[in-house]
Amino acid sequence: AQKVTQAQTEISVVEKEDVTLDCVYETRDTTYYLFWYKQPPSGELVFLIRRNSFDEQNEISGRYSWNFQKSTSSFNFTITASQVVDSAVYFCALSDLTGGFKTIFGAGTRLFVKA
Amino acid sequence: DSGVTQTPKHLITATGQRVTLRCSPRSGDLSVYWYQQSLDQGLQFLIQYYNGEERAKGNILERFSAQQFPDLHSELNLSSLELGDSALYFCASSVWDYTGELFFGEGSRLTVL
Repeated sequence: AQKVTQAQTEISVVEKEDVTLDCVYETRDTTYYLFWYKQPPSGELVFLIRRNSFDEQNEISGRYSWNFQKSTSSFNFTITASQVVDSAVYFCALSDLTGGFKTIFGAGTRLFVKA
Repeated sequence: DSGVTQTPKHLITATGQRVTLRCSPRSGDLSVYWYQQSLDQGLQFLIQYYNGEERAKGNILERFSAQQFPDLHSELNLSSLELGDSALYFCASSVWDYTGELFFGEGSRLTVL
């Protein structure tokens, strides 16, 4: 089955705190792709990162970092030194062949960063 | 600006009516996806087209239909509208089929009264 679980519905932090958003996925495929997207209050959806199943190397981009662990089927997203502008809904997504080429999204985690 | 254009941005209509949402993908993108986002809900996959052919289908209602035209733009038709169809409808495009990141339009907000 193709499934993405984001157990954290809402997280509230104070500016400059670090925060980790959890994502757990399910797939029967050995080849699959994982994504994170951001939806700020303005509503548009913005791509953040893509990771394929053969690349478990963690990635850092500025204050953002991603930890991909196949052993636990997790693809977690950490924001270091959070800022008010990070306030948004963050979606984890998965696409694979068994799912019929479609990209499915988790329910999203709403992050509030307070000044 | 993602390069994906959706029209109309806002639409208010009555129950029982039919509407058409339009999407122009980014130049060069062959795949078009449609998603529905209801209030405080996640993104529900509706349907995907790749170069004019239907590639994947989600839990799309029978009252909904879509197509991708030879110029690669896509239309989502919603008929016999119900109150519960009120939502934000996103179109996204990508270069490949399932391997690439999606570029989203700004969405079409449909309100059914």
